[in-house]
Amino acid sequence: FMLSQPHSVSESPGKTVTISCTRSSGSIASNYVQWYQQRPGSSPTILIYEDNQRPSGVPDRFSGSIDSSSNSASLTISGLKTEDEADYYCHSYESANQVFGGGTKLTVL
Amino acid sequence: QLHLQESGPRLVKPSETLSLTCDVSGGSISTSSYYWGWIRQPPGKGLEWIGSIYNSGSTYYSPSLNSRVTISLYRSQNQFSLQLSSLTAADTAVYYCARQRLRYFDWADWGQGTLVTVS
Repeated sequence: FMLSQPHSVSESPGKTVTISCTRSSGSIASNYVQWYQQRPGSSPTILIYEDNQRPSGVPDRFSGSIDSSSNSASLTISGLKTEDEADYYCHSYESANQVFGGGTKLTVL
Repeated sequence: QLHLQESGPRLVKPSETLSLTCDVSGGSISTSSYYWGWIRQPPGKGLEWIGSIYNSGSTYYSPSLNSRVTISLYRSQNQFSLQLSSLTAADTAVYYCARQRLRYFDWADWGQGTLVTVS
């Protein structure tokens, strides 16, 4: 299966943005979705696990959800800050295989 | 605090085999709560899962790389390794070692990554 993300999104500081992640085959609800943030020149860091759970230290401005009707997951970032400008990746799995989405570049301007 | 550090050659010739090692400190690779694995990122592109290994030695590989990949554990040295054979320019990438939580399946801890160029 594949996970498809928009190549890029942009929004202004203080606004809310949503990044989608659509699963090509199989149900999005069958296996948990994770989200990662990767700032330029840095390793990825976990933002959301188990569809909508935030690790300690991740601000509640970041939230995750899934929508079975569209077979997709979403990452929503509210109260955008310039420091949120980064690449965002979704991730899921099926049996012994794991897949990352192609990544979405978020520009905060 | 867990620290993962990749080491290995920066430049490898086409058709050769890449060997990378991940040194783990601040935690034991023998714990049953985690998978250990490798993820790569070609320059300017997205993340690609290569494979994972569990404490038992069970391995799981990406279907697209399965025929060329071997991941091993070295418990006495608290390390794990990646071997990728028959290299081409398409294997040029930053290679990350990482730890995945068994319960939540998230890659919770990452190394800094090492750029490997095939040329």
